[in-house]
Amino acid sequence: GQQLNQSPQSMFIQEGEDVSMNCTSSSIFNTWLWYKQDPGEGPVLLIALYKAGELTSNGRLTAQFGITRKDSFLNISASIPSDVGIYFCAGQGSSGSARQLTFGSGTQLTVLP
Amino acid sequence: NAGVMQNPRHLVRRRGQEARLRCSPVKGHSHVYWYRQLPEEGLKFMVYLQKENIIDESGMPKERFSAEFPKEGPSILRIQQVVRGDSAAYFCASSPPGQGADYTFGSGTRLTVV
Repeated sequence: GQQLNQSPQSMFIQEGEDVSMNCTSSSIFNTWLWYKQDPGEGPVLLIALYKAGELTSNGRLTAQFGITRKDSFLNISASIPSDVGIYFCAGQGSSGSARQLTFGSGTQLTVLP
Repeated sequence: NAGVMQNPRHLVRRRGQEARLRCSPVKGHSHVYWYRQLPEEGLKFMVYLQKENIIDESGMPKERFSAEFPKEGPSILRIQQVVRGDSAAYFCASSPPGQGADYTFGSGTRLTVV
């Protein structure tokens, strides 16, 4: 089946630092999505990317859809304590059901004061 | 406007019992999806339903698992004769027609099999 390789698996950063995480795939996706999951909750959509090469921002978050359609990265600038959580990338529309999401294994972010 | 409502939030079952997980989609959303999440892993697709139809069940185990989304009422994920390996968080998501990426996830049901 399809797999997304997400890295790093975990990060410990100081408040105010910038963060970068990425996902790669052996398959092409038509849409890349980035989610944040807090403990005991479901994933919440942060950014959706629909075109190869697209660069999209949402406040302090910036994400890009790789030109090959096989990768994406998420940057968080000037991190704050509430950024703590697990960040997941997800791809959609490569094969099978066009609505099915394939998730990465997550990046656990810890922000130290 | 309520989001996706899942209940119960926590469910404990003994091995061999049945588990029924409920999901009420966002009002106006006609597409429902179920995902399973094991500890420290990403979500894995199980099944995609529209009202009264299963569209894609490629992620559902062949035995003991079933899902429905009736014309009236919530979507139900049913697990018969649960085993320890079924312990996981089960998330439901919904989306409106015509917008494939516009998912809204519920808060999940955490199933523990003892």
